[in-house]
Amino acid sequence: NAGVTQTPKFQVLKTGQSMTLQCAQDMNHEYMSWYRQDPGMGLRLIHYSVGAGITDQGEVPNGYNVSRSTTEDFPLRLLSAAPSQTSVYFCASSFRAGGIHNEQFFGPGTRLTVL
Amino acid sequence: ILNVEQSPQSLHVQEGDSTNFTCSFPSSNFYALHWYRWETAKSPEALFVMTLNGDEKKKGRISATLNTKEGYSYLYIKGSQPEDSATYLCAFAPGGATNKLIFGTGTLLAVQP
Repeated sequence: NAGVTQTPKFQVLKTGQSMTLQCAQDMNHEYMSWYRQDPGMGLRLIHYSVGAGITDQGEVPNGYNVSRSTTEDFPLRLLSAAPSQTSVYFCASSFRAGGIHNEQFFGPGTRLTVL
Repeated sequence: ILNVEQSPQSLHVQEGDSTNFTCSFPSSNFYALHWYRWETAKSPEALFVMTLNGDEKKKGRISATLNTKEGYSYLYIKGSQPEDSATYLCAFAPGGATNKLIFGTGTLLAVQP
């Protein structure tokens, strides 16, 4: 199993450009999430999904869109990049067994710089 | 706004020292409390997921306790080793059948040989 994969690893954008961060998992996990990590702020939840076709907003959703058309993929779209979106982005997946949510498995991260 | 706080922010110890960190979270609407270990230049990796008041979990030299009524969890490392150097994150999962996690800002542990 590849686990959770993210592409690209690094990206530089200009203000106003759009792009999609890709996330895929091959563990058949129902649940997927996107986080951003900024110095001194820890991990902040952007959007999450409890299954194909179902998404919801986290703590910091503004400026980002998501969709979940398949169990495997959960892309994050930046509609019009701003310098405030410079960050490291992590995708994570998890599953529920016996009524209990298990730990989240994290991808390697995407480091995004917006100039 | 759900607030998860961790203390201390950072900790420097000598090899062989035992140490502990605190995670404070809302005591209402509790579903689960997660602990993750995050090494520099890597991704966070799960240590424990705890759901019941009074839960105690152990993995090698690392253990954790949970008090949901007062809203805190402790992570203990016995006999710290340099390879334990990392940031330790806790995350609160509010009630509801979702994977929503609210993370604290972490405790950075540096273990000197």
